[in-house]
Amino acid sequence: GIQVEQSPPDLILQEGANSTLRCNFSDSVNNLQWFHQNPWGQLINLFYIPSGTKQNGRLSATTVATERYSLLYISSSQTTDSGVYFCAVAGYKLSFGAGTTVTVRA
Amino acid sequence: ETGVTQTPRHLVMGMTNKKSLKCEQHLGHNAMYWYKQSAKKPLELMFVYNFKEQTENNSVPSRFSPECPNSSHLFLHLHTLQPEDSALYLCASSKGLAGDEQFFGPGTRLTVL
Repeated sequence: GIQVEQSPPDLILQEGANSTLRCNFSDSVNNLQWFHQNPWGQLINLFYIPSGTKQNGRLSATTVATERYSLLYISSSQTTDSGVYFCAVAGYKLSFGAGTTVTVRA
Repeated sequence: ETGVTQTPRHLVMGMTNKKSLKCEQHLGHNAMYWYKQSAKKPLELMFVYNFKEQTENNSVPSRFSPECPNSSHLFLHLHTLQPEDSALYLCASSKGLAGDEQFFGPGTRLTVL
């Protein structure tokens, strides 16, 4: 299956800071999704972005499919941004990375 | 109800019990999935159904038995589980297979004593 690597594994931010999360994958894909998992376990869809750039409020994402990576940008971070961020890719089956745990301190 | 719902949200069961997890999607999708999330491990795909037909069984032990009576409902029947089966079980749906965006339910947190 497709290998998915996320970095960094952990990220501690001061409120208001900007950050970049990275997702590398090992093969061509036709689906790439970013999720935020809240403390109760719910996976919240952030972006469906097999290629290109999208923005949603303070979050944006870019996928460069030809180079097999995606970036998630968090700007002006807030404490509510804390949680685990997952990248998942699919050729056919969705394969998840191990996640980046983000902690935003007030 | 909107999106993908799962019941129960929490379940504690003994190793000799039989229980079932239920998932319902209100999105008009045709594909449904079961995932397992254990502590410190990435999400693992367990089963895939498309138009009620199972298309993927990711080498899941037979003590987990899925059922998909229609495109909106998915069950996971549990029997003779082991403590290592304790995990968060997540259901998801998508319009179709092959790369369509997946939407997840809130999960059932299962503890096997």
